Amino acid sequence: DTEVTQTPKHLVMGMTNKKSLKCEQHMGHRAMYWYKQKAKKPPELMFVYSYEKLSINESVPSRFSPECPNSSLLNLHLHALQPEDSALYLCASSPSGGHQETQYFGPGTRLLVL
Amino acid sequence: KNQVEQSPQSLIILEGKNCTLQCNYTVSPFSNLRWYKQDTGRGPVSLTIMTFSENTKSNGRYTATLDADTKQSSLHITASQLSDSASYICVVSEYGGSYIPTFGRGTSLIVHP
Repeated sequence: DTEVTQTPKHLVMGMTNKKSLKCEQHMGHRAMYWYKQKAKKPPELMFVYSYEKLSINESVPSRFSPECPNSSLLNLHLHALQPEDSALYLCASSPSGGHQETQYFGPGTRLLVL
Repeated sequence: KNQVEQSPQSLIILEGKNCTLQCNYTVSPFSNLRWYKQDTGRGPVSLTIMTFSENTKSNGRYTATLDADTKQSSLHITASQLSDSASYICVVSEYGGSYIPTFGRGTSLIVHP
């Protein structure tokens, strides 16, 4: 199984809502990542979890809160988002987070904030 | 500052034709360079990965080259198909330290019948 799954595929939320994005992989990878991608732009790294611990936070606003319940799951909790947060949110995983590893990306969640 | 520049920004070709996409980088020290294909609204899919000692790698109709001296890479697509229409992203990783890859802005390829 070389698949990273993400749910939901699409999400529309108001600025006062609380929602969560979910990501799952069963490849035994111990590093997981959240990226944000705006239209026609490359993905921007948000968070990196390595062995279930947050190792990188790229100065992301606190309205985005990541969580790694176990080695297979990664969540992104959303609260009080702004319209400019509308984007494709990509999850990825790699064996252990080493710089020589290929990251496997999920299909993404398309988020629209109204 | 690490940078990855891709050209052209967009490209339109006819089905069956070949094309070459370019990637120049300033990432140092260099660890590896990847080419990803991203269909619209989908996550990127890895095509090739090359380290310092590799100067060419193929994956079906995709062939990537790397010149670590000039810090340039190319992705050559042979006998293009309609399904090749996508964004192609060059990603370069720095050796050692924390893992924060540098993404290029991508080349948008459209293959017309």
